[in-house]
Amino acid sequence: DIQMTQSPSSLPASIGDRVTITCRTSQRIDTYLNWYRQKPGKAPELLIYAASSLQSGVPSRFSGSGSGADFTLTISDLQPDDFATYFCQHTYSVPYTFGQGTKVDIK
Amino acid sequence: EVQVVESGGGLVQPGRSLRLSCKTSGFTFGDYTMSWFRQAPGKGLEWVGFIRSKAFGGTTEYAASVKGRFSISRDDPKSVAYLQMNSLKTEDTAVYYCTRDNQDYNYYFYMDVWGTGTTVTVSS
Repeated sequence: DIQMTQSPSSLPASIGDRVTITCRTSQRIDTYLNWYRQKPGKAPELLIYAASSLQSGVPSRFSGSGSGADFTLTISDLQPDDFATYFCQHTYSVPYTFGQGTKVDIK
Repeated sequence: EVQVVESGGGLVQPGRSLRLSCKTSGFTFGDYTMSWFRQAPGKGLEWVGFIRSKAFGGTTEYAASVKGRFSISRDDPKSVAYLQMNSLKTEDTAVYYCTRDNQDYNYYFYMDVWGTGTTVTVSS
């Protein structure tokens, strides 16, 4: 199975900050990498697919980059709605696996 | 509006069975692979399995943790997917999510529509 290592696990931040979350995979996965945001008590929502494609309806302050085994999610100009937990996920092969999550909370 | 809605969760004793349903609307159900995921209380996300569309054989794949106990099926005319869970264990306690699986022109897969989830509690 492909292991996903996300960092940091916790990220204190303020409104307007630029934040970066990284995801490293245990083997190269091309760009089969997705990012999700999950608010407390809610289902995950897709932000970025194929490493860098912005899902329709998602604000442009979200961006993704990377290929191979190293990936990044960047949120520019952090908004109140963005205090949540973020997960990376690969769909390179089964089993699909997720990072352990990064909780972005108020500094 | 594109929607998936899970139902069928509840409290069940270890060793018993439960069937979850995923009712969809707003898209051509038969064209899509459908997946199930779960999230144990306070934990991360775990892929459970998926069923491909009939165009891709309607075949299934499962996580090792549920293989042989869980099965996924679909009823395309009703636009519903199912997760049959047998021989349930306490570690199956989780919120179960159904998703629509999409792909781009390069066949990169992603889960673009999620239901709100249904809670399964396995306890005596």
